[in-house]
Amino acid sequence: AQSVTQLGSHVSVSEGALVLLRCNYSSSVPPYLFWYVQYPNQGLQLLLKYTTGATLVKGINGFEAEFKKSETSFHLTKPSAHMSDAAEYFCAVSVWGNAGKSTFGDGTTLTVKP
Amino acid sequence: DGGITQSPKYLFRKEGQNVTLSCEQNLNHDAMYWYRQDPGQGLRLIYYSQIVNDFQKGDIAEGYSVSREKKESFPLTVTSAQKNPTAFYLCASRMTGSATNEKLFFGSGTQLSVL
Repeated sequence: AQSVTQLGSHVSVSEGALVLLRCNYSSSVPPYLFWYVQYPNQGLQLLLKYTTGATLVKGINGFEAEFKKSETSFHLTKPSAHMSDAAEYFCAVSVWGNAGKSTFGDGTTLTVKP
Repeated sequence: DGGITQSPKYLFRKEGQNVTLSCEQNLNHDAMYWYRQDPGQGLRLIYYSQIVNDFQKGDIAEGYSVSREKKESFPLTVTSAQKNPTAFYLCASRMTGSATNEKLFFGSGTQLSVL
């Protein structure tokens, strides 16, 4: 079984400040890890993913995440927040051979203050 | 443009009524999924299908039904047995076959409310 915990349901940063959204996972086999973003009343859009290979993954809109196996973490970062980054962010985990079924965290709402 | 189309965007259900949410994709994806999203919670899997004419229950299938008669279409019926249907419903799809395909493409969702 796999699970995801997102630490902090709400995160607020000032425009231009560092964004850090935390995600810890649990999986009995090597995981695939994802970050998705959701704007109000819309579906989810993939920001980035880790499947194999390089543990530092770069995504769209300047976001990146690092897979740390020893810490079972996959935190999302962005050096400088922009007003357009305000949205809800979901961390998700899946494993190979599980029919692509992803388990999602409860989400973190990011607010960006001017 | 390729993508996933969900309709309607808003839907209202009367007590005792069955309603059907549409999901169509032109991405030529093999697998399709239905998720339910409640405020402050993550997405929960209702049903999924990896191939035409075959589907499996997810974590919260009770009160829901699906069909997969065509590769492009995966409609979800919310039956009268679902006592708390108010939620945002998301359809997703993905290509199968390799680790690089382990990502989901989502539609824009349907908000279902009870009258």
